[in-house]
Amino acid sequence: SQTIHQWPATLVQPVGSPLSLECTVEGTSNPNLYWYRQAAGRGLQLLFYSVGIGQISSEVPQNLSASRPQDRQFILSSKKLLLSDSGFYLCAWSDVGIYGYTFGSGTRLTVV
Amino acid sequence: KQEVTQIPAALSVPEGENLVLNCSFTDSAIYNLQWFRQDPGKGLTSLLLIQSSQREQTSGRLNASLDKSSGRSTLYIAASQPGDSATYLCAPNTGNQFYFGTGTSLTVIP
Repeated sequence: SQTIHQWPATLVQPVGSPLSLECTVEGTSNPNLYWYRQAAGRGLQLLFYSVGIGQISSEVPQNLSASRPQDRQFILSSKKLLLSDSGFYLCAWSDVGIYGYTFGSGTRLTVV
Repeated sequence: KQEVTQIPAALSVPEGENLVLNCSFTDSAIYNLQWFRQDPGKGLTSLLLIQSSQREQTSGRLNASLDKSSGRSTLYIAASQPGDSATYLCAPNTGNQFYFGTGTSLTVIP
């Protein structure tokens, strides 16, 4: 069966520090991978999605970047965090959308 | 770009009531639509997935319907329980992306 792992669960980082969040999927190959952010009291915002290794699409301009170095690994990064980067970050995968999305458990990021 | 609206934004009901959550979307060219549940501070749990060729999908006390041509979906929860308290999100899929509404926050009062 397919599983998705996302870590860390919580993170407190100072402004200006770098960020690296990792997401991995098991039990499938060539999944579509997604990073979402959920700010307090707001809906889910799609940040990046990837349909294959090295293929990244960005939905909104921001202080973040994403990479897909391996088929089932998706990384969200920042060189210098801003206060506005605080939020709940969710990774998800889908099998070209046919069977829907499966989400990871999320990372609560607080930038101080 | 797909716009998703969920009504009501919040709902509080006594235990045992049947209730309906509404979702509307602007782009009817969808492949499928998924309903999720999110507990506070947690990730999203998939409840139901309806393919564009289907009219409805059922799982236990949950029933989701889809009217693709009018851009609407409803989630029906029968005999609500306090454990159903959560935020419910609908997400139509127009290709490689699902778009989310802001959800309906449900509170079921014992």
